Amino acid sequence: ILNVEQSPQSLHVQEGDSTNFTCSFPSSNFYALHWYRWETAKSPEALFVMTLNGDEKKKGRISATLNTKEGYSYLYIKGSQPEDSATYLCAFETSYDKVIFGPGTSLSVIP
Amino acid sequence: DVKVTQSSRYLVKRTGEKVFLECVQDMDHENMFWYRQDPGLGLRLIYFSYDVKMKEKGDIPEGYSVSREKKERFSLILESASTNQTSMYLCASTRRDAQETQYFGPGTRLLVL
Repeated sequence: ILNVEQSPQSLHVQEGDSTNFTCSFPSSNFYALHWYRWETAKSPEALFVMTLNGDEKKKGRISATLNTKEGYSYLYIKGSQPEDSATYLCAFETSYDKVIFGPGTSLSVIP
Repeated sequence: DVKVTQSSRYLVKRTGEKVFLECVQDMDHENMFWYRQDPGLGLRLIYFSYDVKMKEKGDIPEGYSVSREKKERFSLILESASTNQTSMYLCASTRRDAQETQYFGPGTRLLVL
C-alpha cells in the first residue's frame, strides 16, 4: 500500500514568521511530486510540480525542494502572511499513473 | 481562466436517497476524477474517466457509480446514500499527459442524515 504522509498536521504561526513542512513518499516508482494550496471555500490550486531529484521551485515567498532518493519534499514559506492560511496538499505521482494525496498540513497565520 | 464547476456547494440528503453530483470543466480535458476528502485522510480517488463513456474504479468505488456522456461533464452517483458517505466531494480534471497538475472544482459538502 502506497502511503504519503505530511507533517505537521497543523501549524499556527505569527505573521512574519517563516515556516516549513514536509511531505514523505515512497522512494520507488517515482514520477512527479505535486504541491497544492487549498484555501477555505475555494478550489485546491496547484503550486508546483517537481520531477527531478534536487529540484527546487519558487513562487514568490513559497519554495519547495525535492529529494526522490530518500522520499521527501519540503515546502517553505518565508515571512508568512495571513493570506497564506490554507491547507497544503502534496501528491505523489507514480510511474504507472497513480496519484496519491497526503492528508495535508493546515497552516494558520495569526496577524 | 480555466474552470471546474460543481453543481452544489452544500447538500443535505436522507439515507437511502439517490444523489447526483455533477462536475463540468471548460478546458477540453480528457481526464476527470472524483475524490472524497475526510478529516485526517488524503484525497481518496473514487472513480476516474479517461474519455467519454470510459470509467475506471479508483481506490474506494463501493457505493458509487459514475457517468460520462459528454467530455466536459462527469457525474458521481450515490445509488442509495448512507451516513458513511457524508464527506467533501471534489471533482478534478487534467489533460491526458502525465505530470499534469489537476484542476479542481470547489467541492460539494454532502451530509447524509
